[in-house]
Amino acid sequence: KAGVTQTPRYLIKTRGQQVTLSCSPISGHRSVSWYQQTPGQGLQFLFEYFSETQRNKGNFPGRFSGRQFSNSRSEMNVSTLELGDSALYLCASSLAGLFSRVTNEKLFFGSGTQLSVL
Amino acid sequence: GENVEQHPSTLSVQEGDSAVIKCTYSDSASNYFPWYKQELGKGPQLIIDIRSNVGEKKDQRIAVTLNKTAKHFSLHITETQPEDSAVYFCAASIPKNTGFQKLVFGTGTRLLVSP
Repeated sequence: KAGVTQTPRYLIKTRGQQVTLSCSPISGHRSVSWYQQTPGQGLQFLFEYFSETQRNKGNFPGRFSGRQFSNSRSEMNVSTLELGDSALYLCASSLAGLFSRVTNEKLFFGSGTQLSVL
Repeated sequence: GENVEQHPSTLSVQEGDSAVIKCTYSDSASNYFPWYKQELGKGPQLIIDIRSNVGEKKDQRIAVTLNKTAKHFSLHITETQPEDSAVYFCAASIPKNTGFQKLVFGTGTRLLVSP
């Protein structure tokens, strides 16, 4: 079974630009959640999508948005990039999602997209 | 609050020694505690997890213990090997009143195993 695939692996952008990251979950998984990983803040939850609907959102500004398609693939968009947006962006897939009544739902992470904002 | 504190931030051991990483959570409703290992250039991978109704779980050289009263849980790695070198994250899953769960991560421990 193929794992979680994130593209691209690396991105370099300049301040003010916008960027779109892609995540293909494990086949059969309907939940995709996104995390921002930085050395100082660790893993911070951005949002989660399940069956094309955003079920929950972390404490990030509206410049961060996402969507999920009918095949469960998800994209994350960041508009008006700032230097502080430089980070590793990880997506994780699961069957039913963290935000469910299943108390031990397992997350499977992709290798991430390393975004550098200059 | 919804915090997970993780210690130490870095840990250096000699091959064959044991390594222990500790986490403390703040929300007593937390009911599921996974541990992830992140190798260089890769995403975090689940290595072991424990539910709140269990005190200890083992998987070969890895074990996790949970003390619900003290609200802390620990990862134990015995007979460490160089390939155990990585960043380890603990996490706590908190049920919300919406019926959903929220996963909160610790800040990570960089483990270095020297041959």
